[in-house]
Amino acid sequence: VQLVESGGGLVQPGKSLKLSCSASGFTFSSYGMHWIRQAPGKGLDWVAYISSSSGTVYADAVKGRFTISRDNAKNTLYLQLNSLKSEDTAIYYCARCSWEDYFDYWGQGVMVTVSS
Amino acid sequence: DIQMTQSPPSLSASLGDKVTITCQASQNINKYIAWYQQKPGKAPRLLIRYTSTLESGTPSRFSGSGSGRDYSFSISNVESEDIASYYCLQYDNLPTFGSGTKLEIK
Repeated sequence: VQLVESGGGLVQPGKSLKLSCSASGFTFSSYGMHWIRQAPGKGLDWVAYISSSSGTVYADAVKGRFTISRDNAKNTLYLQLNSLKSEDTAIYYCARCSWEDYFDYWGQGVMVTVSS
Repeated sequence: DIQMTQSPPSLSASLGDKVTITCQASQNINKYIAWYQQKPGKAPRLLIRYTSTLESGTPSRFSGSGSGRDYSFSISNVESEDIASYYCLQYDNLPTFGSGTKLEIK
């Protein structure tokens, strides 16, 4: 199993960014997937979940601003980040959802910095 | 949302010591708790799932226990490679993490 995030960078407040997570080594279409983030020097926060059938759930802090999606043909997970705030500055990890709903495999993470 | 209260925030241990971290949930989480290890600059690594089931590759010096709202995670015979932060995760409902425990060696 391998998960590789990309798309991070420096972005101004109020702007948008789209993260990608390329998956390999397993049948991507059969698994739910999560995004989790970690602000610099802080703990882990769950962000969003998408099921294998593309149902979605979001943390309150990002609801209405972030959108999780997937392209099973490309084995890729996405996170669209809109109306970014300084408090969204974090490392963003994608993670596979195990059959029992914990996170069993994680990507290496991608940094998003929101600053003017 | 279920809140997870993790303690202590930091631990200082000597090599060979046993250390214990606790997580208390704001409601019964039916043993759906996992424990992760995170080393600086790295992604978290799953160590234990469903309270006490060691993930493949997790050394036997790691253990977990608990039920209801109260759970604990222990490392017996602490080794230098155990220097890391540790997080609990409840997955009975929308997932929430504990605030983390940073383990240092004396």
